[in-house]
Amino acid sequence: EVQLVQSGSEVKKPGESLKISCKGSGFIFSSYWISWVRQMPGKGLEWMGRIDPSDSHTSYSPSFQGDVIISTDRSTSTAYLQWSSLKASDTAIYYCARLGLFFGEWRGFDYWGQGTQVTVSS
Amino acid sequence: EIVLTQSPGTVSLSPGDRATLSCRASQSVSSSYLAWYHQRPGQAPRLLIYGASRRATGIPDRFSGSGSGTDFTLTISRLEPEDFAVYYCQHYGSSPTWTFGQGTKVEIK
Repeated sequence: EVQLVQSGSEVKKPGESLKISCKGSGFIFSSYWISWVRQMPGKGLEWMGRIDPSDSHTSYSPSFQGDVIISTDRSTSTAYLQWSSLKASDTAIYYCARLGLFFGEWRGFDYWGQGTQVTVSS
Repeated sequence: EIVLTQSPGTVSLSPGDRATLSCRASQSVSSSYLAWYHQRPGQAPRLLIYGASRRATGIPDRFSGSGSGTDFTLTISRLEPEDFAVYYCQHYGSSPTWTFGQGTKVEIK
């Protein structure tokens, strides 16, 4: 069974660093691009960026470029999203999602993690 | 960056009604890389349609997608109670950046 399991909720202060995780199982992790998606309170979905675990190549939305880093550890089938200095405006739910691939055809984000709530407050 | 604009923002319908949701792109999008999702409160989004018109695994046939170029449509032929949710379109694929539309809420009338 394909699963993406994310790390638990976090409460941080402004200026602190944070790294959240997304562990894949039930599929060949290095074969599927992983994206991160932000959902601020009461708002819509925002694509943040993606990583190709096979070579760690990343691509970021201009809205998030320079603010976050996406990385991966193929040995543990885990993708990460990290901040070096959090702001109150980073308060949101963060989802990881897998870009479906079937015989070379991309098929949208077919599996999603359960979401990680990040709260940044002084 | 491609901007996806969804309309209407909110639509009020009754169970059994037909829902027609629109997604317009700021520039032409390959039909191969246009997806639709819905999100129920407190849940992660779920893929409904990929490639503009292809239903994802396990999605009932009351959901259908159509369109090409800059105009895409998601149709729900007869709304079931579990279909009242927020719907998002998305483009993905070979472009360096991907985006979601701002969402359409389908609420019970």
